[in-house]
Amino acid sequence: EIVLTQSPGTLSLSPGDTATLSCRASQSVSISYIAWYQQRPGQAPRLLIYGASGRATDIPDRFSGSGSGTDFTLTIHRLEPEDFAVYYCQRYGSSPAYSFGQGTKLEMK
Amino acid sequence: QITLKESGPNLVKPTQPLTLTCTFSGFSLSSDGAGVVWIRQPPGQALEWLALVYWDDDKHYSPSLKNRLTITTDTSKNQVVLKMTNMDSVDTATYFCAHKGGFGELQYWGQGTPVTVSS
Repeated sequence: EIVLTQSPGTLSLSPGDTATLSCRASQSVSISYIAWYQQRPGQAPRLLIYGASGRATDIPDRFSGSGSGTDFTLTIHRLEPEDFAVYYCQRYGSSPAYSFGQGTKLEMK
Repeated sequence: QITLKESGPNLVKPTQPLTLTCTFSGFSLSSDGAGVVWIRQPPGQALEWLALVYWDDDKHYSPSLKNRLTITTDTSKNQVVLKMTNMDSVDTATYFCAHKGGFGELQYWGQGTPVTVSS
């Protein structure tokens, strides 16, 4: 079973900073099947990045995804107040079909 | 425009089963590649994948919960139903359904339905 481990658990930054969030898989995964989500309190997750480096609808280019093998990164440039939320990585494949990381909370310093 | 909405009881007693319905529009579960996923999130915790059903009725379950889960479809009603047996307090969570995209991404989500397990 593929497990996704996100780090750090909490990231404290200021508006205007660059956030770098990590997602490590226990086995090699194609980046095509890695996705990233943002979740604000009381809301459903919102898709940010999928299919290697595709940005979902209406996601600004401040958000980007990268990585290969077992290490994947979500980078958010020029943080804005609305970016402070919890972020999850997700993998699609087999055995099991889906896995989620445990999340990284991006908080305002 | 793809939309999904979860419905079901907000309160379930321990040991009782839970039945949740996901009613969707904007896509057909009969179309090649289509899929619907169920995910849950206990209060203050991470997302947990539960089940997936494909357009061809292929079904997949979380290994840790597969003995308790059943996912079914009613394509005529555009619905996907999730049944979970033997509910316990640790199953208290918000339950979401979502549309699976071509790379497994989940772009469209329901609003979620909270379920509390308590006597």
